Amino acid sequence: DAMVIQNPRYQVTQFGKPVTLSCSQTLNHNVMYWYQQKSSQAPKLLFHYYDKDFNNEADTPDNFQSRRPNTSFCFLDIRSPGLGDAAMYLCATSRGEAALNEQYFGPGTRLTVT
Amino acid sequence: AQSVTQLDSQVPVFEEAPVELRCNYSSSVSVYLFWYVQYPNQGLQLLLKYLSGSTLVKGINGFEAEFNKSQTSFHLRKPSVHISDTAEYFCAVSDKRNDYKLSFGAGTTVTVRA
Repeated sequence: DAMVIQNPRYQVTQFGKPVTLSCSQTLNHNVMYWYQQKSSQAPKLLFHYYDKDFNNEADTPDNFQSRRPNTSFCFLDIRSPGLGDAAMYLCATSRGEAALNEQYFGPGTRLTVT
Repeated sequence: AQSVTQLDSQVPVFEEAPVELRCNYSSSVSVYLFWYVQYPNQGLQLLLKYLSGSTLVKGINGFEAEFNKSQTSFHLRKPSVHISDTAEYFCAVSDKRNDYKLSFGAGTTVTVRA
């Protein structure tokens, strides 16, 4: 039973061509997160939504945007992908604060920039 | 600011042998600690967490970890590993000062050989 679903699993885009990654959840969790994970590195939090409230990390580039049209869906938009944006992008959800409530991760979308 | 150091980037181990993955953290306030596992081409899955109480925490798949406040460590152990334990393991910390967001270590790759 899939709980956090990410589409597509693999995405190839061209340098500078906008791309959107999708995440959906069947858990009805109120918090949704986007992480960037580069090869052999730790996941790095880009931003998260607590219900409709958007929380951006201070060091997340402006090139990265997010939308959450409803509880179930959250999108990551990369306006002008650079070669350095090639990474695995992980979506996660939790019910309330992450420390007290387990984060559930999706399988990730691996982004290649050509 | 909090930080997490995983002391071993690669740990090769034979099947049915014990394994210990080391994790040290730095934080000036009380912390919550986590271990996540990432199997190839999958998202992260919570193995166990320490919030409070007993310093010995038991998780899924036979893993356990011990919180040592004086040594600021949260090492993960399993007495007998299986081939299926081959994966990447991430230690993570969160605290109130960082709004309980997760900060991950760089990861330890465990390779179990027959």
